[in-house]
Amino acid sequence: IQMTQSPSSLSASIGDRVTITCRANLTINSYLNWYQQKPGKAPKFLIYAASSLQSGVPSRFSGSGSGTDFTLTISSLQPEDFATYFCQQSYSTPVYTFGQGTKVEI
Amino acid sequence: QLQLQESGPGLVKPSETLSLTCTVSGGSINSSRYHWGWIRQPPGRGLEWIGSFYYSGNTYCNPSLKSRVTISVDTSKSQFSLKVTSVTAADTAVYFCARVGSPWGEFDYWGQGTLVTVSS
Repeated sequence: IQMTQSPSSLSASIGDRVTITCRANLTINSYLNWYQQKPGKAPKFLIYAASSLQSGVPSRFSGSGSGTDFTLTISSLQPEDFATYFCQQSYSTPVYTFGQGTKVEI
Repeated sequence: QLQLQESGPGLVKPSETLSLTCTVSGGSINSSRYHWGWIRQPPGRGLEWIGSFYYSGNTYCNPSLKSRVTISVDTSKSQFSLKVTSVTAADTAVYFCARVGSPWGEFDYWGQGTLVTVSS
C-alpha cells in the first residue's frame, strides 16, 4: 500500500489553521496514524485510528478520514508545531508504510 | 516510563553486515499486546519500515529488504537486534527501534535513533 502526502511542504504563520492530506492507493479503513518529527529527533506519535488523539497531545491537533483519504489539522499553529508530519498505514499489518512527509515551515 | 535505546557501530564498510541492538527498559518486551520494530530514515528523507518481531516469535520484514534483513530477540536481556547484510551507501540512514501497538499498529514509543554510515 502506497501513502502519498500533500503538500510536501507548506509555509504558515502562528495562529494559522493548517491541513495536511494523506492518501492511500487502496482502502485502509481507519488504519491510519500520524506522527510529528523535529530535526534530529525521533518521530512523536500524535493520532491513531485516523482520528483518536494520543494521550498528552494538544487538542489543536485533529485527524479525520477513512477509506483512502485522510487529513491532519492543526487548528491554531503554535511555534512548537513547526516540524515534519508523517502518516502511516497499518491496514496491511504486519507490513507498514509511511507517507513521504509534510514539512511545516514558518 | 518505557525507554528504547539503539546501539551499534556508526560506520560500516560496503558489502559488510550492519548490526544494531535495541535495549528496552521500563517495560516488558514479552507482551502479546505489543510488538517491536525497526524503522530507518536516510538523511533528509522519509521513514521506511524495516521489519518487526512478535511475541509469538514471528518476524516480518519489508519486502524490499527481506532477503538481507534478520531480526532476533534476547528476552533475557530485553533486547532485540537487526542485521542487514551486503550493505551499500543506500543503507546509510538513522535507524530507529520502536514499540508497535495493537490493533492500530501505531509506533508509540521510539528510541532516539542512531546514524549508520556505509562508507569505505
